[in-house]
Amino acid sequence: GAGVSQSPRYKVAKRGQDVALRCDPISGHVSLFWYQQALGQGPEFLTYFQNEAQLDKSGLPSDRFFAERPEGSVSTLKIQRTQQEDSAVYLCASSPRGTGFDEAFFGQGTRLTVV
Amino acid sequence: AQSVSQHNHHVILSEAASLELGCNYSYGGTVNLFWYVQYPGQHLQLLLKYFSGDPLVKGIKGFEAEFIKSKFSFNLRKPSVQWSDTAEYFCAVNRGYSSASKIIFGSGTRLSIRP
Repeated sequence: GAGVSQSPRYKVAKRGQDVALRCDPISGHVSLFWYQQALGQGPEFLTYFQNEAQLDKSGLPSDRFFAERPEGSVSTLKIQRTQQEDSAVYLCASSPRGTGFDEAFFGQGTRLTVV
Repeated sequence: AQSVSQHNHHVILSEAASLELGCNYSYGGTVNLFWYVQYPGQHLQLLLKYFSGDPLVKGIKGFEAEFIKSKFSFNLRKPSVQWSDTAEYFCAVNRGYSSASKIIFGSGTRLSIRP
């Protein structure tokens, strides 16, 4: 595709439910990032992949959050036993190489609302 | 820990006014610096970036930013704003090494332009 695609665009989950958020990066992009953006705030880093390797997961807020990128392309962010404080927009970004100089291309995000 | 501060939460200007958005970062090492923009209903996209060399960086749509190392600042400027510049602006930083690392974002500045 032309850009980073995320699905679903909107997700309403009942508290305690598990959710899975999908990210399709730009084809061939090596790096993939997940961010969480609360209302009125900037994106907060969650985790980073280089191909299939998860090189940094320091931003995951708890062990209820889990991310994977098994074949080095599509990535899934899973949140178990959702809580109200998990309500946010989850952003995925990809960049072409594994360098710090690259522009990160962002998707539209998935807006998660936990009720 | 790395952090980014954006001084203005919401800026309101008239068309043709000059713009300066403040950004300061905290990081004890070499950094790459970015400004991203999010237009209403759209995804985050890169305005400009600084890695090394000339500290005055020019980006898209007439924007520029100046890196002042002694002040840990990377302020965004535009001499004459247009209504279409209405958006949220995010300053961001990552480690200035060749390998990729997490990008840390500020909390954002909402810019409203009166036609």
